[in-house]
Amino acid sequence: SQQGEEDPQALSIQEGENATMNCSYKTSINNLQWYRQNSGRGLVHLILIRSNEREKHSGRLRVTLDTSKKSSSLLITASRAADTASYFCATDEGWASNTGKLIFGQGTTLQVKP
Amino acid sequence: NAGVMQNPRHLVRRRGQEARLRCSPMKGHSHVYWYRQLPEEGLKFMVYLQKENIIDESGMPKERFSAEFPKEGPSILRIQQVVRGDSAAYFCASSPTGSAKNIQYFGAGTRLSVL
Repeated sequence: SQQGEEDPQALSIQEGENATMNCSYKTSINNLQWYRQNSGRGLVHLILIRSNEREKHSGRLRVTLDTSKKSSSLLITASRAADTASYFCATDEGWASNTGKLIFGQGTTLQVKP
Repeated sequence: NAGVMQNPRHLVRRRGQEARLRCSPMKGHSHVYWYRQLPEEGLKFMVYLQKENIIDESGMPKERFSAEFPKEGPSILRIQQVVRGDSAAYFCASSPTGSAKNIQYFGAGTRLSVL
């Protein structure tokens, strides 16, 4: 079953606006990570938030984690055309596994129009 | 410090042929993960290896797929007798340990097309 599910599936905004993407998961986790994938390329790690953290910032990125709701959000502020990409959340399996394998959501495709 | 290197970047095979995908982890990393991405989908875990050991292959199809990570050299994902449904992007990631606390660093992927 899908561990991470994201919404919206697609998001189109104007440059300068903020973009918010949400991710939900099913089981307990140790960490939740967000990755970016430009079209036809590999994944680039953006940010990792631990299960005992509620919010984390990195530059224009803000990630929140609500373990009671099993959800996370990624906010990109003051978006730029270069932010156009697909964004994936990924979780581990918490206590169920100690291998560190990641379970990815379906992703949100973000288009930032200049 | 070179990142995760995958080759080839693109691979075209006819049905029934074999595909070999290579992954060299980041320097100092001894843990390798393989993921598959079908068009318009997220990545799906396939297998997790340490040097000379398969730790978790719960995501590997039961037949035709195998993986290794020898003491020397890159990790290899091997697909025998490829079928059209194997067409996908295959990504390798490495980390310094197998802990869920570590970030996984991804290669650029190998895009397999089966004709």
